[in-house]
Amino acid sequence: EDQVTQSPEALRLQEGESSSLNCSYTVSGLRGLFWYRQDPGKGPEFLFTLYSAGEEKEKERLKATLTKKESFLHITAPKPEDSATYLCAVRGLSGGSYIPTFGRGTSLIVHP
Amino acid sequence: DADVTQTPRNRITKTGKRIMLECSQTKGHDRMYWYRQDPGLGLRLIYYSFDVKDINKGEISDGYSVSRQAQAKFSLSLESAIPNQTALYFCATSPSPGQGAPEQYFGPGTRLTVT
Repeated sequence: EDQVTQSPEALRLQEGESSSLNCSYTVSGLRGLFWYRQDPGKGPEFLFTLYSAGEEKEKERLKATLTKKESFLHITAPKPEDSATYLCAVRGLSGGSYIPTFGRGTSLIVHP
Repeated sequence: DADVTQTPRNRITKTGKRIMLECSQTKGHDRMYWYRQDPGLGLRLIYYSFDVKDINKGEISDGYSVSRQAQAKFSLSLESAIPNQTALYFCATSPSPGQGAPEQYFGPGTRLTVT
């Protein structure tokens, strides 16, 4: 069974204070690790897909990295508008259906 | 225009009532999903469909049913609503292998309250 654990559950940062969110996973045959951003009361919005250890992707102040056991979402010099819940999901070969398994998310608040 | 739409956006209903949540998409994806989200529990899969003739149960399908009326439409029904079905419900789509990148695209959500 695929499993995803995100830490911390909540993170408060001052504007400009860089940090990282963690996504630890166990999966049989990784076929993609996904990061999403979710604003309160809205649907998750896709950010990145990573496929193999060592892969990195960047978008504005966000950079996602991947190892064989975990992924990090690095936030550089965050702004208040980066406040959101960040969700991690993995898709593996379990059951042959490639259905993503989601973590519970990290709630990020960036104070001005 | 939004690629994945859900109706209604908010609904308050009473215990025992039948209710239907609807989802439409213009992304041309074959795969569609229904999730519920509760505080502290993350997204949990209710049902998913890989094409019009393929419907599969997710981890929490009890008390729910679905209908895939067309490639673009996927409805979720609560036959007899109960208070612990109060939650935020999301529809999502994704392409089939070979149809495009595998990430999911989510609708704006339906906030359902059962009193």
